[in-house]
Amino acid sequence: QKEVEQNSGPLSVPEGAIASLNCTYSDRGSQSFFWYRQYSGKSPELIMFIYSNGDKEDGRFTAQLNKASQYVSLLIRDSQPSDSATYLCAVKRNTGFQKLVFGTGTRLLVSP
Amino acid sequence: DADVTQTPRNRITKTGKRIMLECSQTKGHDRMYWYRQDPGLGLQLIYYSFDVKDINKGEISDGYSVSRQAQAKFSLSLESAIPNQTALYFCATSERGGPLSGYTFGSGTRLTVV
Repeated sequence: QKEVEQNSGPLSVPEGAIASLNCTYSDRGSQSFFWYRQYSGKSPELIMFIYSNGDKEDGRFTAQLNKASQYVSLLIRDSQPSDSATYLCAVKRNTGFQKLVFGTGTRLLVSP
Repeated sequence: DADVTQTPRNRITKTGKRIMLECSQTKGHDRMYWYRQDPGLGLQLIYYSFDVKDINKGEISDGYSVSRQAQAKFSLSLESAIPNQTALYFCATSERGGPLSGYTFGSGTRLTVV
């Protein structure tokens, strides 16, 4: 079992719809969770992070965390074609040097 | 200027050649990392460094070496390049510890070994 799992996609949504990206993790002691956006051939860019159960909103983005279910999600409201990218979930361990463990990413396609 | 700068941006090299990828940062972060990214495999950690005197192997360090020349500089070397080291390489930095410190990535180096 991978430490951080994401569906590779592609997830296709029409412009204006809500895109829902999901991530599960195996280390129950994980303490914080990050979402990165990566355009093809470019570097990952941090969108937001969450560390408490519940929802965290930032503009069109909402991160949701459920530690009991070991599940974190990213909702993108009013999706735009410019949101088309790969979204990486990353989990920070609570042990060792607290490195970030990355999922392989979900590719999102937003069609006009 | 970018906070984390990688050079070169693109490089084509021949099998058996030694090659160095360089990374410098202006964020003042203590921790620096080298990752490679292959399609479908995500980001794999090669080496990481907490400061100039603290360098550690990551998941896939075989065939690679690193040097932390200064707090702001972290170089990755491929001693004898082979074709399966063709990948996108990223340098990243983070603040010392803490649950909320994410990574800042450089723009990447696309390396092709022929």
